[in-house]
Amino acid sequence: LAKTTQPISMDSYEGQEVNITCSHNNIATNDYITWYQQFPSQGPRFIIQGYKTKVTNEVASLFIPADRKSSTLSLPRVSLSDTAVYYCLGRLKYGGSQGNLIFGKGTKLSVKP
Amino acid sequence: DTEVTQTPKHLVMGMTNKKSLKCEQHMGHRAMYWYKQKAKKPPELMFVYSYEKLSINESVPSRFSPECPNSSLLNLHLHALQPEDSALYLCASSQETRAREQFFGPGTRLTVL
Repeated sequence: LAKTTQPISMDSYEGQEVNITCSHNNIATNDYITWYQQFPSQGPRFIIQGYKTKVTNEVASLFIPADRKSSTLSLPRVSLSDTAVYYCLGRLKYGGSQGNLIFGKGTKLSVKP
Repeated sequence: DTEVTQTPKHLVMGMTNKKSLKCEQHMGHRAMYWYKQKAKKPPELMFVYSYEKLSINESVPSRFSPECPNSSLLNLHLHALQPEDSALYLCASSQETRAREQFFGPGTRLTVL
């Protein structure tokens, strides 16, 4: 199974750009990279997904280099409300038609005033 | 309606009790999931339902019994639980099991005494 590795925690200040990098060395050629956000006492929330190069939406950007062995989630100008755990997910556990999510350990982002 | 709702929000039960957790979605999703999340850990998959049929059971003890009465509802019946089963139980849904974007409910915080 594709294993993802990301920093356990990160600190930032309001207004800064935050980049969280995830390593997924043995990702398969047909796997997408997906990121989720989880606030305390809430369920995870899908943020962004990509296959290669760059993807941007209203919440974040996702950068994936050509070798796809890593990806970087970029959060522009974070605020206190961005304090959360961010999960990087690689391969679906069973693949094919029975795929489902494998959550890694996540990165706890703390945004300070 | 893009919400997954879960009831109750909190549940305290003894080891001899029988209780049920409920989950509902009205997004027309055909895949539904139960996850278990312990404090400061990532969510762990328990069950996957696809088109109202159980497709994956992640070797969950029989004291947890899932049920999918229709395409919008998912239940988790609990019986003879142990204190170590105390956790946040999350329900999620997606268009199909291959979809990486899952919609999570807020969870039920379960305490087993």
